[in-house]
Amino acid sequence: EDQVTQSPEALRLQEGESSSLNCSYTVSGLRGLFWYRQDPGKGPEFLFTLYSAGEEKEKERLKATLTKKESFLHITAPKPEDSATYLCAVLIKAAGNKLTFGGGTRVLVKP
Amino acid sequence: NAGVMQNPRHLVRRRGQEARLRCSPMKGHSHVYWYRQLPEEGLKFMVYLQKENIIDESGMPKERFSAEFPKEGPSILRIQQVVRGDSAAYFCASSQNHYEQYFGPGTRLTVT
Repeated sequence: EDQVTQSPEALRLQEGESSSLNCSYTVSGLRGLFWYRQDPGKGPEFLFTLYSAGEEKEKERLKATLTKKESFLHITAPKPEDSATYLCAVLIKAAGNKLTFGGGTRVLVKP
Repeated sequence: NAGVMQNPRHLVRRRGQEARLRCSPMKGHSHVYWYRQLPEEGLKFMVYLQKENIIDESGMPKERFSAEFPKEGPSILRIQQVVRGDSAAYFCASSQNHYEQYFGPGTRLTVT
């Protein structure tokens, strides 16, 4: 069965304390892996797409990497405004165009 | 370029009433998706549509739920005879290709 698991469920960081979020997946064929950010009461905001193992994408303090089994979202020197829930989702070859989401990681960055 | 638009943002219905949720995709996007986020649960796919066609409805409950994306106008997700378990946030997403999906702000449905 196709599965996407994110860890940890919640993460409390001090401002400036770098950390990584994990998204592990077991799917029958990966077409793409996506990271989103979701603020309370809002819709998911697209961050990155990764297509193949070894690929990396960066945006400001965020960097996403992909291996054959998992993806990491690295947050470097986070600021309070980076507090949000980060969602990982996959497109699976046999599953058409529907995204399968992980449960998310709630990140709280304290000043 | 306006993003994905959804309305209403909040909707309150009594049990047994109908709920209609609307979604206008981003300009130039012809693919529309609906997802549901139940309290304390992750986002779950419901249905994928293109203009005048339902492409994949494998995530839709078998009864009371329907979706359309007419030639003109927004996509509509319709829930008939709502029950308390339908209370959730409903998100619409759109895409230009078969990869990046961009989400709207959601409609929060409360059934009383």
